[in-house]
Amino acid sequence: DQQVKQNSPSLSVQEGRISILNCDYTNSMFDYFLWYKKYPAEGPTFLISISSIKDKNEDGRFTVFLNKSAKHLSLHIVPSQPGDSAVYFCAAAPSANNLFFGTGTRLTVIP
Amino acid sequence: DAEITQSPRHKITETGRQVTLACHQTWNHNNMFWYRQDLGHGLRLIHYSYGVQDTNKGEVSDGYSVSRSNTEDLPLTLESAASSQTSVYFCASSEGLAGTTGELFFGEGSRLTVL
Repeated sequence: DQQVKQNSPSLSVQEGRISILNCDYTNSMFDYFLWYKKYPAEGPTFLISISSIKDKNEDGRFTVFLNKSAKHLSLHIVPSQPGDSAVYFCAAAPSANNLFFGTGTRLTVIP
Repeated sequence: DAEITQSPRHKITETGRQVTLACHQTWNHNNMFWYRQDLGHGLRLIHYSYGVQDTNKGEVSDGYSVSRSNTEDLPLTLESAASSQTSVYFCASSEGLAGTTGELFFGEGSRLTVL
């Protein structure tokens, strides 16, 4: 059973606009959440994280929002750039434990 | 620069053959992991190790084994390859676990095809 779900397999956005990628989880014990970015023929790379004591974490153009009551997190990319085109994986874990990954969302930023 | 490397990057084998995928990291991380990536499933954990001589099963460990004889290497062995094991395999390492310094550093992947 998938404990971390990314229900949108793909997303297309115009360059300069906002990209919003969504992720839902089912395990209430999860308290650490990460986003990874993956280009073709490469391994995933860490993008941004958030712990359950926060509801927002920002790093440049990337912001992650966490809604614990809804068991939902989202990644906002503003402004979107063509180089952001990649597959984005959401991941979650209970503290000091292994990560569970979502199925990924393929983002295409159209120039 | 520290890195994590996987070999081979591409492998074609036949059903029933034994296959070993190598993973070598120079981060000096205690934690190492093997994942497989499949369409519709994302990344699923196969095996992991928290240190030398430590190995643990992940959520999809059947048909796979690992050994950890030193800090740098965690080879993944398919004892008798099956077509269902056709996948892209990623090795990863981390300094800490989620909630501490849980960021995973991934290798570039090994694409395995079992005919």
